[in-house]
Amino acid sequence: GAGVSQSPSNKVTEKGKDVELRCDPISGHTALYWYRQSLGQGLEFLIYFQGNSAPDKSGLPSDRFSAERTGGSVSTLTIQRTQQEDSAVYLCASSLYGGSGLAGTDTQYFGPGTRLTVL
Amino acid sequence: AQRVTQPEKLLSVFKGAPVELKCNYSYSGSPELFWYVQYSRQRLQLLLRHISRESIKGFTADLNKGETSFHLKKPFAQEEDSAMYYCAPVPDTGRRALTFGSGTRLQVQP
Repeated sequence: GAGVSQSPSNKVTEKGKDVELRCDPISGHTALYWYRQSLGQGLEFLIYFQGNSAPDKSGLPSDRFSAERTGGSVSTLTIQRTQQEDSAVYLCASSLYGGSGLAGTDTQYFGPGTRLTVL
Repeated sequence: AQRVTQPEKLLSVFKGAPVELKCNYSYSGSPELFWYVQYSRQRLQLLLRHISRESIKGFTADLNKGETSFHLKKPFAQEEDSAMYYCAPVPDTGRRALTFGSGTRLQVQP
């Protein structure tokens, strides 16, 4: 079956513009995560959706960042008024349950990422 | 504060040599621990998790609760093991997202 997909694969934008990044999780996965991979910062958590629960936004670096997940499937990460420090690879991951069960925390499957460059 | 430390940014070994990638964590409770790997031009993927106690591609990782470590080991490194390796704990309560270490780049030379 298809894995997690993300679009676009690359995005170049000018400082101050808004951007939208899309993530299509694996069908049937209830949990969806956004991470950011940047030089000098490593991999950092941004936001987490689990089923119909309120998302965990604790990793969003500023109020310029927001994300939504429509119909429990596709998610969009929006960055308003982009800054140069927003340049990074944005990774999306999904997992079947998200929480822990008898088998422990389920595996997260990652997309290929969107490389965002803010000029 | 919850923290995961991978002290080596780069580890270079020769083919056939043993490999140990270090990971130390500082978490309350009993976190679950994972190793993720990213090969060149590929997406991040799960390598192994401590709860399954399995060996993947010859790698093993032993959870040492006393030392709060979860080092990744392989007795004989192969060139195809060259990749970026991330240690990632998940807390047993609250947010279930991964918190990645800074990563260790493993280079296996011929």
